[in-house]
Amino acid sequence: AQSVTQLDSQVPVFEEAPVELRCNYSSSVSVYLFWYVQYPNQGLQLLLKYLSGSTLVKGINGFEAEFNKSQTSFHLRKPSVHISDTAEYFCAVSEVGNDMRFGAGTRLTVKP
Amino acid sequence: ETGVTQSPTHLIKTRGQQVTLRCSSQSGHNTVSWYQQALGQGPQFIFQYYREEENGRGNFPPRFSGLQFPNYSSELNVNALELDDSALYLCASSSGVVNYGYTFGSGTRLTVV
Repeated sequence: AQSVTQLDSQVPVFEEAPVELRCNYSSSVSVYLFWYVQYPNQGLQLLLKYLSGSTLVKGINGFEAEFNKSQTSFHLRKPSVHISDTAEYFCAVSEVGNDMRFGAGTRLTVKP
Repeated sequence: ETGVTQSPTHLIKTRGQQVTLRCSSQSGHNTVSWYQQALGQGPQFIFQYYREEENGRGNFPPRFSGLQFPNYSSELNVNALELDDSALYLCASSSGVVNYGYTFGSGTRLTVV
């Protein structure tokens, strides 16, 4: 079965600095990959997804992620963060036809 | 287009009681998945329903059960509540069994005392 490891539980960064949130997955078959964001007391909002094609995926709010099959990674990046990006970020993987499995989350804190 | 709606938003129950949580899927979606998110953790898959049939289950005991109705709305039932059942319960809907990405509701916060 598929699984996800988010390598950093917390990432503090100053406003306007770049950020990378790291995600590795494990699966023996083809997968779809996702990043979701969760603001306090809310559900999860889809940031971006990789289904097939170009390995560089662009999402909402200026985020992008790169699928690396050889390293089984799907790291999330943003060149310049804002205070409003402070939230919990979840990486998720889905084997085709199966349910979605989530990582434990990375708390991004953007400081002024 | 309406999104996924869950009710109630908050709930307090006593250990040993039973609870029913409800979810209305997004228009056009026929698959509903339920997740449990404990404080400070990622969502854990409970089960999925597709066209009123269970289509996969995570590592949760039988006291967690569900239903999906002909209009694709869904219920999550938990019997014999335990303190560890305290969590945010998330409902997500999608179209078909191939998961191209879920739409999540805002969740039900269940507290067991």
